[in-house]
Amino acid sequence: GAGVSQSPSNKVTEKGKDVELRCDPISGHTALYWYRQSLGQGLEFLIYFQGNSAPDKSGLPSDRFSAERTGGSVSTLTIQRTQQEDSAVYLCASSQRTSSYNEQFFGPGTRLTVL
Amino acid sequence: AQTVTQSQPEMSVQEAETVTLSCTYDTSESDYYLFWYKQPPSRQMILVIRQEAYKQQNATENRFSVNFQKAAKSFSLKISDSQLGDAAMYFCAYRSATITGTASKLTFGTGTRLQVTL
Repeated sequence: GAGVSQSPSNKVTEKGKDVELRCDPISGHTALYWYRQSLGQGLEFLIYFQGNSAPDKSGLPSDRFSAERTGGSVSTLTIQRTQQEDSAVYLCASSQRTSSYNEQFFGPGTRLTVL
Repeated sequence: AQTVTQSQPEMSVQEAETVTLSCTYDTSESDYYLFWYKQPPSRQMILVIRQEAYKQQNATENRFSVNFQKAAKSFSLKISDSQLGDAAMYFCAYRSATITGTASKLTFGTGTRLQVTL
């Protein structure tokens, strides 16, 4: 497809379970971002990938959160031992680093509900 | 660290009328970008308009325009001739002009929910 895609669209899990969220960026985009949108809040930066460089994990809220990006394309955000406060919409965005102002294109997000 | 503040959790406007959404930000940088994003119920974030800080002229995109006051660190969005399809959450966002590393991340406000009534 032409845009950023994310799966699943919705995920319901039980407290303590691990979850994996997937992001397929726009083809050719070297930069990839994960954001979290909690109820009533703006988007909070989680992690940033640029090409083959080491990711910037400065926004991850705890060591239960991790992410990887395979082959410079698809990214997976993993949350271990989920807690109720992890319930949120997780949005992925990608951009072309060489563009003039580096517009970020967003996917539709994954709504995570932790029971 | 940069912060973005949207002090209007909800706004309402009648169809065909004009509404202004407020946004203030705090930064020590001199060069940056400001954005307004629209998020309909589909959750897809859609870029509405952007402003480069070095440009004095306010950006305009069809019915959408901004009032950028750099000294006051204010960046409001004006929607003219409001349409039912404009109903959504609107987020103001800041990004450093530096595109390397985490400086390229977007910093968002908490959003304003816009209702459009007949």
